[in-house]
Amino acid sequence: GAGVSQSPSNKVTEKGKDVELRCDPISGHTALYWYRQRLGQGLEFLIYFQGNSAPDKSGLPSDRFSAERTGESVSTLTIQRTQQEDSAVYLCASSLVPGSYEQYFGPGTRLTVT
Amino acid sequence: SQQGEEDPQALSIQEGENATMNCSYKTSINNLQWYRQNSGRGLVHLILIRSNEREKHSGRLRVTLDTSKKSSSLLITASRAADTASYFCATDLGGSEKLVFGKGTKLTVNP
Repeated sequence: GAGVSQSPSNKVTEKGKDVELRCDPISGHTALYWYRQRLGQGLEFLIYFQGNSAPDKSGLPSDRFSAERTGESVSTLTIQRTQQEDSAVYLCASSLVPGSYEQYFGPGTRLTVT
Repeated sequence: SQQGEEDPQALSIQEGENATMNCSYKTSINNLQWYRQNSGRGLVHLILIRSNEREKHSGRLRVTLDTSKKSSSLLITASRAADTASYFCATDLGGSEKLVFGKGTKLTVNP
């Protein structure tokens, strides 16, 4: 079956513009995660969705960042008024159930803010 | 600071040699996972070891876990050029539904 997909694969935007990143998880996966990875660094947790529960937003770096998920399907991560420090690869992952199970990652969206 | 810290940060070996990477963590865990990342894109799950396990094998991979020392190691035997990638350990924070990733070890296998 299809894996996790993300779009766009690359995005270049001007400082101050808003961007929207999309993630399509594996069908049937109830848990969905967003991470940010700066160049040469590890993954920073941003937000986690599980079914209809309230999302865990504890990793969002500022109120410019928000995310939504429709049921157990597509999720969008929105960054408003982008700054140069937002430049990074944004990775989405899904897992069949939450907790201590392997996560399946999408290829990521490389965001460059000029 | 990171829950999981890998070392070394970078490792360069010749094809056919073994590669060992280590991960240390700070809090209790239910399991520890290792992932591989090629070219700064999506991660691929390699292996999961539970807190009540001490060693696990998968093909050329061997993972050990020492909960008393809060550390794990990943051994890749008979390395190949295709093993060149960054390797990350990830831990759950004592049953948390989130994984915390380290900064990774960048492995280069020279042909």
